[in-house]
Amino acid sequence: NAGVTQTPKFQVLKTGQSMTLQCAQDMNHEYMSWYRQDPGMGLRLIHYSVGAGITDQGEVPNGYNVSRSTTEDFPLRLLSAAPSQTSVYFCASTAAGSREKLFFGSGTQLSVL
Amino acid sequence: KQEVTQIPAALSVPEGENLVLNCSFTDSAIYNLQWFRQDPGKGLTSLLLIQSSQREQTSGRLNASLDKSSGRSTLYIAASQPGDSATYLCAVPYYGNNRLAFGKGNQVVVIP
Repeated sequence: NAGVTQTPKFQVLKTGQSMTLQCAQDMNHEYMSWYRQDPGMGLRLIHYSVGAGITDQGEVPNGYNVSRSTTEDFPLRLLSAAPSQTSVYFCASTAAGSREKLFFGSGTQLSVL
Repeated sequence: KQEVTQIPAALSVPEGENLVLNCSFTDSAIYNLQWFRQDPGKGLTSLLLIQSSQREQTSGRLNASLDKSSGRSTLYIAASQPGDSATYLCAVPYYGNNRLAFGKGNQVVVIP
């Protein structure tokens, strides 16, 4: 099993550009989530999904969109990138919300100029 | 909202010493608590998950204890090794157990 796979690993955007961060898991996990990690701020939840077709906002959802059309994939979209979105983004999944261990991808380092 | 604090933010210990890392949380009505390890430039790896009904959980040289009533958890790493150098984060659920609140981590350096 590959676990949780994130692409790309690095990305540089200009302000106003859009892009999609990809996340896929092969563990048949129902729950998937996106976090951003910033120095001094720790990990903050952006959006999460408890199953295909179901998404909800986390702590810092503004500027990001998500959808969950399949169990395996949970892409994160930046519609109009801003410098404040410069961060390291992590996708994570688990079988049952927070009741089971959370598995993380290796992260995407995003810089918005 | 659940607030999670980890003190100290950074510490260095000589190889062979036992490590003690502390995590505190504000809302004691938690379902469980997880400890994670993060290496530089990498994602997080879950080390231990303690259910609210448990007082401790062990895996090899790692032992995590949980005291819900006082809002505290401690991660013990016995006989530390240079390979234990990493950042350790704790996390607890909030808002119906579909969200995790993370501490900012304890950055550990084990000196050979």
